[in-house]
Amino acid sequence: GDSVTQMEGPVTLSEEAFLTINCTYTATGYPSLFWYVQYPGEGLQLLLKATKADDKGSNKGFEATYRKETTSFHLEKGSVQVSDSAVYFCALSETSGTYKYIFGTGTRLKVLA
Amino acid sequence: DVKVTQSSRYLVKRTGEKVFLECVQDMDHENMFWYRQDPGLGLRLIYFSYDVKMKEKGDIPEGYSVSREKKERFSLILESASTNQTSMYLCASSSRGVSSYNSPLHFGNGTRLTVT
Repeated sequence: GDSVTQMEGPVTLSEEAFLTINCTYTATGYPSLFWYVQYPGEGLQLLLKATKADDKGSNKGFEATYRKETTSFHLEKGSVQVSDSAVYFCALSETSGTYKYIFGTGTRLKVLA
Repeated sequence: DVKVTQSSRYLVKRTGEKVFLECVQDMDHENMFWYRQDPGLGLRLIYFSYDVKMKEKGDIPEGYSVSREKKERFSLILESASTNQTSMYLCASSSRGVSSYNSPLHFGNGTRLTVT
């Protein structure tokens, strides 16, 4: 079945450092891909999405490009802030009509001042 | 903005109790979902519903049931709570348009359930 694999955390960075969180997927068809963020004590919020190959999703300085050839959707940000400390989840939505979403295990990011 | 409201942020229940977790969304979404979130396991789908009175098993339905009598409300029921059901429970909803797989999930803030 479909699956999502993302890098293990925690990731600890200094403020203004460059961030990459890797995400790869396996899927039949052409799923939509998502990054969600979870701040402490809250539910998940959509960060960005991409719906077809070569699409780039972006929001709040974060970017991710849908790479069909490498089945990847890596999350990047050029300069992280302390307020970006959170858990990040990569996800895909199945295209088989089941309305199901598959999530990675999450990557905790800690940004130090 | 879509609002998904879960009735409790924290719950403590005893083993064997029947537990109800309530979720309400205000955006007329057709699809609703219950996940549990555990460290190192990410989010696992328990049940979902794509219409009133419709329900589908997710990946881990054992020990749970659901009810969707109204479009805006989706309840998760633990028939006889056990300690291995201690977890964070997240409700979510999404719209069902022509390209429904493009629709993101909107989550509630979660209910942290402890079963003692």
